[in-house]
Amino acid sequence: QQQVKQSPQSLIVQKGGISIINCAYENTAFDYFPWYQQFPGKGPALLIAIRPDVSEKKEGRFTISFNKSAKQFSLHIMDSQPGDSATYFCAATNAGGTSYGKLTFGQGTILTVHP
Amino acid sequence: GAGVSQSPSNKVTEKGKDVELRCDPISGHTALYWYRQSLGQGLEFLIYFQGNSAPDKSGLPSDRFSAERTGGSVSTLTIQRTQQEDSAVYLCASSPGGTNEKLFFGSGTQLSVL
Repeated sequence: QQQVKQSPQSLIVQKGGISIINCAYENTAFDYFPWYQQFPGKGPALLIAIRPDVSEKKEGRFTISFNKSAKQFSLHIMDSQPGDSATYFCAATNAGGTSYGKLTFGQGTILTVHP
Repeated sequence: GAGVSQSPSNKVTEKGKDVELRCDPISGHTALYWYRQSLGQGLEFLIYFQGNSAPDKSGLPSDRFSAERTGGSVSTLTIQRTQQEDSAVYLCASSPGGTNEKLFFGSGTQLSVL
């Protein structure tokens, strides 16, 4: 019940296109859903996060869509750029029960944006 | 320094040896986390320190793994009698704690057990 399932494992997009990564969870106690971006040889960095009281959050070219009833959330990257090429991880936690940082991560998606 | 610092960046050891991995969090951050990232896998939570509270050790995979945080700052993750399956990148993260959500990760220690 602690799993977060992420798809696809890898994604290739042309410059200017839309990248979409999906995640699904089982634990209904999860109340905080961040996305992290990781470049090779670096630690992950927080990209954007959402709580279940809203269905969408947008920051620049990055948007999280959240469907509480389906227990699914997704990351959309608009106008994808080669500099967006990285590994993306979705995550979830019961922040109210433990902490914001005790996260259950998805398996990651390797995004490649071709020029 | 400006970020979370981890040392060494790479560690090669022989099966059965003990290893110590070090993490220097961002100054003033009260929360410190250790995660493990195996090749091609997501991050796996290991242990969490918050201020002077007892650590949350619920993610440690076996009693060969332990961690301490001295003076509320530097943390050391110790793996005793290393096994080949311990090979992974060990990531440390810190945060200001409380309702501040953002984790700041170090670049990790790549551990290889031969």
